[in-house]
Amino acid sequence: NAGVMQNPRHLVRRRGQEARLRCSPMKGHSHVYWYRQLPEEGLKFMVYLQKENIIDESGMPKERFSAEFPKEGPSILRIQQVVRGDSAAYFCASSPTSGNNEQFFGPGTRLTVL
Amino acid sequence: AQKVTQAQTEISVVEKEDVTLDCVYETRDTTYYLFWYKQPPSGELVFLIRRNSFDEQNEISGRYSWNFQKSTSSFNFTITASQVVDSAVYFCALSEGSGYSTLTFGKGTMLLVSP
Repeated sequence: NAGVMQNPRHLVRRRGQEARLRCSPMKGHSHVYWYRQLPEEGLKFMVYLQKENIIDESGMPKERFSAEFPKEGPSILRIQQVVRGDSAAYFCASSPTSGNNEQFFGPGTRLTVL
Repeated sequence: AQKVTQAQTEISVVEKEDVTLDCVYETRDTTYYLFWYKQPPSGELVFLIRRNSFDEQNEISGRYSWNFQKSTSSFNFTITASQVVDSAVYFCALSEGSGYSTLTFGKGTMLLVSP
């Protein structure tokens, strides 16, 4: 039973480029959460999605960031026109239901903006 | 609003010492869940424990133990006879019981265990 998968594990972008981060939840999980870990910081919630729906995006920056979880395929976190301050580790977690179950985390994508 | 405070930024111990990592939380909900995660140098997040607010029984798992005290809003984590492999950043997290469960994390405590 494969765990949560994220790719790429490391991503380097120059300022102004787009970054696309992918997350495949565990089999049978239809709830996906994205968190960001800035250097020397804890993880901060960004967005919560179910299949084809954004449920809560209260932690997403208002501009340049978007997320989707299509009916087929992985969840995608997209960052347009990246800036140095976007450099961070981005973690995806999945759970089988919306209740307070354990969230299973992926290995993270480390984004570096040059 | 919910908040998790891990006042210890970094702790250094020598192997075989016992060490306690503190976690204090704030929430207005009567139903909530507390978690501990470990982040080793490789960077992934490893789930350690989940505890709901109605279960104040302390838990022991091998060298790990957790002390949940609602009266002081604390959920402390003790490692007995620490080992070098315990070196990691440890995060305490909280999710409130109403609706879906986004996690609020503390800033983490870096534990360095030297031989």
